[in-house]
Amino acid sequence: DAGVTQSPTHLIKTRGQQVTLRCSPKSGHDTVSWYQQALGQGPQFIFQYYEEEERQRGNFPDRFSGHQFPNYSSELNVNALLLGDSALYLCASTPRGVSYEQYFGPGTRLTVT
Amino acid sequence: KNQVEQSPQSLIILEGKNCTLQCNYTVSPFSNLRWYKQDTGRGPVSLTIMTFSENTKSNGRYTATLDADTKQSSLHITASQLSDSASYICVVSAGNTGFQKLVFGTGTRLLVSP
Repeated sequence: DAGVTQSPTHLIKTRGQQVTLRCSPKSGHDTVSWYQQALGQGPQFIFQYYEEEERQRGNFPDRFSGHQFPNYSSELNVNALLLGDSALYLCASTPRGVSYEQYFGPGTRLTVT
Repeated sequence: KNQVEQSPQSLIILEGKNCTLQCNYTVSPFSNLRWYKQDTGRGPVSLTIMTFSENTKSNGRYTATLDADTKQSSLHITASQLSDSASYICVVSAGNTGFQKLVFGTGTRLLVSP
């Protein structure tokens, strides 16, 4: 059984561009959460998707948006990239019916130049 | 304000030695507390998870304790190995049912030297 997978592994973008990151949850997981982790910091919650809808959102601007597909996979979109958006973006999935557990993917390292 | 504080910020120990990492939290309503190990540039991997009624849990050489009265937790690593070099993050989950908000500490960076 594959764990949580994320793509791409690394990405370099220029200020003002747009980026899409992808996440596939573990089998049997129906909830996907996204986090931003700056270097040397703990992860910061961006938002969570359940049943193809955004269920909760952290303190991030509207430039950050997402989507969840019927197969539970998810995308994170960031528009008008800023230098400060450079970070490791983590996706975590939660097993169906087990709200307290989250399994993290390996992350996508985004560098904005 | 929900907050998780970890100490020390960083730690260097010799291979084979033991160490203890600390976590203090102010999170309400408390649901559970987890310790994660995160290698540089990788996603966190869960080591232990404890609910309110549990005060100790082990996973191999890792032993976590929880004092829900003082809102403190510790992670003890026994007979450290070079592969233990990583960041250790304390995460407290707030919420009762449905959506649970995870509050992350900034982590303790552990370096095990030969």
